Amino acid sequence: GAGVSQSPRYKVTKRGQDVTLRCDPISSHATLYWYQQALGQGPEFLTYFNYEAQPDKSGLPSDRFSAERPEGSISTLTIQRTEQRDSAMYRCASSEGLGAKDEQFFGPGTRLTVL
Amino acid sequence: GQNIDQPTEMTATEGAIVQINCTYQTSGFNGLFWYQQHAGEAPTFLSYNVLDGLEEKGRFSSFLSRSKGYSYLLLKELQMKDSASYLCAVRANDSSYKLIFGSGTRLLVRP
Repeated sequence: GAGVSQSPRYKVTKRGQDVTLRCDPISSHATLYWYQQALGQGPEFLTYFNYEAQPDKSGLPSDRFSAERPEGSISTLTIQRTEQRDSAMYRCASSEGLGAKDEQFFGPGTRLTVL
Repeated sequence: GQNIDQPTEMTATEGAIVQINCTYQTSGFNGLFWYQQHAGEAPTFLSYNVLDGLEEKGRFSSFLSRSKGYSYLLLKELQMKDSASYLCAVRANDSSYKLIFGSGTRLLVRP
């Protein structure tokens, strides 16, 4: 696609429910990143994929968080048993490859609110 | 630990020059990025430095000193549309391509 897209743009859920967020990267991009961004803060790394491989998931805050990219294209981020502290903007980014200077193109984000 | 520091807020006048500083302390270094983020929007790439020195790109320039763990973003001929947050991010090592972001500097450009 022309840019990175994410869905839904907004998600309101009740504490304890599971949520799945979707990211559709730029079609030619091999690498996909997930970030969590609190209001007034910079994005905080969660995990990234190179095609379908997931070399680094060190930023996932707990085992309630998981991500997949089974065919090396679309990715999902799932949060199980949501808690109020999970409320944040979740941003996806993609880049062409793993070149050190490869810029990351960010999507519009999913604003998650846990009541 | 990994630490990136930027001023929280800055104010400047339209047409002027502003310098936004960033200092970092990371376990390694494999490049520094600057991103611009307008309120309610996604971050967009501005610049990349991996070697010491100045990189110029139109009205925007970015400087890096690896020995000092220091970078700055220089914005010239400020325009109202430059009002945004500016995020400094470091790629800390070459075995993971994650970026570590600072909290951002909110720049307000006044007429």
